Amino acid sequence: AAGVIQSPRHLIKEKRETATLKCYPIPRHDTVYWYQQGPGQDPQFLISFYEKMQSDKGSIPDRFSAQQFSDYHSELNMSSLELGDSALYFCASSSGVVAGSDTQYFGPGTRLTVL
Amino acid sequence: AQTVTQSQPEMSVQEAETVTLSCTYDTSENNYYLFWYKQPPSRQMILVIRQEAYKQQNATENRFSVNFQKAAKSFSLKISDSQLGDTAMYFCAFMPIIQGAQKLVFGQGTRLTINP
Repeated sequence: AAGVIQSPRHLIKEKRETATLKCYPIPRHDTVYWYQQGPGQDPQFLISFYEKMQSDKGSIPDRFSAQQFSDYHSELNMSSLELGDSALYFCASSSGVVAGSDTQYFGPGTRLTVL
Repeated sequence: AQTVTQSQPEMSVQEAETVTLSCTYDTSENNYYLFWYKQPPSRQMILVIRQEAYKQQNATENRFSVNFQKAAKSFSLKISDSQLGDTAMYFCAFMPIIQGAQKLVFGQGTRLTINP
């Protein structure tokens, strides 16, 4: 079965640079979630989209922005990168935001290292 | 706000033994889902099992089962006949059923090691 695809899998950036992470949800899934997992920590919710509209927002820095496109893929844009942004970034998808909707399935993650 | 607590940072058992991981949560919501996710050394987040709060029957998936106590807000995971491949970090997660706000809230994780 098709899974969530994330690219790139690894990314190394310098401080103050910009990074773009991409997520391709499972086919027919219309909801995308972004999570950040720091070293030795649990994943923290950043932001979610349902049908190309932002549906919820967590502890996402103002330096980060995201959107969901017409083909349902999503991109997380990160600017003015800081050392503390080094983390594993997960994208997850599900089949809808209606109450009682489906489980979130995770992609393999993008490991971002900021030097 | 919801919180999830896993009080066992690390656990270790012998292969073929049974192990139970604990999880408690705090919420004022009545409708929600609870999950256990497994994160092996590859760091992939893999769904292990799901429980709907409105269901009294405990969920079971092969060797994995849960003990869901809604009144006590407790959701433990039992792994029977443990295998070396079960070695991983296990996260308990809570998801409220609220339109537009279905983010996962994770516990701190329990690192489980299965010894040969």
